[in-house]
Amino acid sequence: AQKITQTQPGMFVQEKEAVTLDCTYDTSDPSYGLFWYKQPSSGEMIFLIYQGSYDQQNATEGRYSLNFQKARKSANLVISASQLGDSAMYFCAMRANNYGQNFVFGPGTRLSVLP
Amino acid sequence: EAQVTQNPRYLITVTGKKLTVTCSQNMNHEYMSWYRQDPGLGLRQIYYSMNVEVTDKGDVPEGYKVSRKEKRNFPLILESPSPNQTSLYFCASRDFQLGYNEQFFGPGTRLTVL
Repeated sequence: AQKITQTQPGMFVQEKEAVTLDCTYDTSDPSYGLFWYKQPSSGEMIFLIYQGSYDQQNATEGRYSLNFQKARKSANLVISASQLGDSAMYFCAMRANNYGQNFVFGPGTRLSVLP
Repeated sequence: EAQVTQNPRYLITVTGKKLTVTCSQNMNHEYMSWYRQDPGLGLRQIYYSMNVEVTDKGDVPEGYKVSRKEKRNFPLILESPSPNQTSLYFCASRDFQLGYNEQFFGPGTRLTVL
């Protein structure tokens, strides 16, 4: 069975600094996708970044990058130059196989950006 | 505007009273899914649908039913709600085409079962 682990229930970061949110995953499927979502206090789910298991390069989207270490089964999210608006809940998620139907989410990490 | 809509957004009900939460998307997506979000557990998948008349169980399907009679709609049915189904529910949809990896979420439905 697939599983996502996020070991940091909460984190603080100073504005303009970089922060890494940890995510480890477990799957026996050779093909899978990894996602990060942001959930601000307003409640909506916002897609941030995607990494495919066969992608050679780490994914980047603006200030977001995904540090993908396949052998360690980790997919950490790095946010550079944190902003106050980055304060939110962050979820790591996995979809097994390319046309996978089953999505598994981690418990989330609450990030607070301090001024 | 491309979106996933859910109704109602908030609902308070009593144990045993059947209810339906509607979900509709205007992006012609084949795939639709329902999740529940509980503190400390993240989102857990209830049911998903690959296309019209094709549905399958997620990780926590007990106590829920779904149907997919039209491509755009994917209602979630609670035949006999219980207090442990008090939760925040999200509907989502996505396109199967390669490269379209993003899952679009609805705004959420906060359900309280007394």
